[in-house]
Amino acid sequence: DGGITQSPKYLFRKEGQNVTLSCEQNLNHDAMYWYRQDPGQGLRLIYYSQIVNDFQKGDIAEGYSVSREKKESFPLTVTSAQKNPTAFYLCATGIYYEQYFGPGTRLTVT
Amino acid sequence: AQSVAQPEDQVNVAEGNPLTVKCTYSVSGNPYLFWYVQYPNRGLQFLLKYITGDNLVKGSYGFEAEFNKSQTSFHLKKPSALVSDSALYFCAVRDRADRGSTLGRLYFGRGTQLTVWP
Repeated sequence: DGGITQSPKYLFRKEGQNVTLSCEQNLNHDAMYWYRQDPGQGLRLIYYSQIVNDFQKGDIAEGYSVSREKKESFPLTVTSAQKNPTAFYLCATGIYYEQYFGPGTRLTVT
Repeated sequence: AQSVAQPEDQVNVAEGNPLTVKCTYSVSGNPYLFWYVQYPNRGLQFLLKYITGDNLVKGSYGFEAEFNKSQTSFHLKKPSALVSDSALYFCAVRDRADRGSTLGRLYFGRGTQLTVWP
């Protein structure tokens, strides 16, 4: 987990509210990724980014948005349009063919 | 299309016995293959990778994996399991055609829960 910070570790929100998950890295890696993890479903890719001010949708981007204003930061916003937002969210960085993961944020929406 | 299958949701083994966690993959070209481990409420930790060369890859904590191209498999193994090995294990694949691009994404299996009992 070293070099990648996700905060907070646990996050609680009411349904209908947008919430932003933080991901910061000091590894100087160009690529950054957001995954969603649900029990028994593995990791599903939400968004990814190679360079500042550029990002692409992954497999389950609906109801999520991202920004990449700085190389070190790749925040993920879970909007009220996301129908089932309760999950464990993992941020990762990438260089060449390897990915490194942050500690994750567990989001609970009630 | 690229995909990974981990056919067993759970693997149970006694401490001291050998363990195997299975993984098969599908890519259009040649693969890069990875194993990660996840402890409860933590991020994924890298265990080992196959890029090229020797089909038997050695990784962290005494784990190893064998790349078998004909069977499109990359099974994770350890000769003697420890209780502390109990965790969730993920296999991942990337198409080698993505070489040179940091944007090359990984495709993950659903994970296998390994339980080692004393």
